[in-house]
Amino acid sequence: EAGVAQSPRYKIIEKRQSVAFWCNPISGHATLYWYQQILGQGPKLLIQFQNNGVVDDSQLPKDRFSAERLKGVDSTLKIQPAKLEDSAVYLCASSPPLGVTEAFFGQGTRLTVV
Amino acid sequence: GESVGLHLPTLSVQEGDNSIINCAYSNSASDYFIWYKQESGKGPQFIIDIRSNMDKRQGQRVTVLLNKTVKHLSLQIAATQPGDSAVYFCAENIAGGTSYGKLTFGQGTILTVHP
Repeated sequence: EAGVAQSPRYKIIEKRQSVAFWCNPISGHATLYWYQQILGQGPKLLIQFQNNGVVDDSQLPKDRFSAERLKGVDSTLKIQPAKLEDSAVYLCASSPPLGVTEAFFGQGTRLTVV
Repeated sequence: GESVGLHLPTLSVQEGDNSIINCAYSNSASDYFIWYKQESGKGPQFIIDIRSNMDKRQGQRVTVLLNKTVKHLSLQIAATQPGDSAVYFCAENIAGGTSYGKLTFGQGTILTVHP
């Protein structure tokens, strides 16, 4: 079974620029999550999708961050404009629609804002 | 806000020793707990989970203990190997339902295994 795919793996941008990250979850996984992991910390949830609908975006800085999952499969997370403190690894995770099961994480995209 | 935390940020052991990684949580409403392993440059990898109606669960070389009285979680790794070297996170979930991936993570413990 293929895992959660994310791209790009690395991205370096200047502050105030925009950037987008892409995630393809495991096939059949209805729930998709975006996490932000700052160096030396545990991942922090940004947003949760159930199919193409947002379940929880309470921790998403909506003035600069946006995310979508238009067809209920792939998802894109965007930052515009980026700040230095956005430097982090952005992790995508997915889980099946039913049952008690853990979330499966992708390898993440490491963003450096300079 | 409420969060999950770890007592020890680093743990260094010899190959073959048993390792114990501890975690304190503060949200008494949490009913699902997971331990993840994260190697450098990779995403978190599931190790073992436990529900709040259990106090112990065993996997292959790993055991998770849950003490709800003192809100404490531990991960025991038997016969630790160099390949176990990584950062270990505990995480808690209170959402349940279709949201078992909605997790609050602790800071992490760095485990280093010396040959």
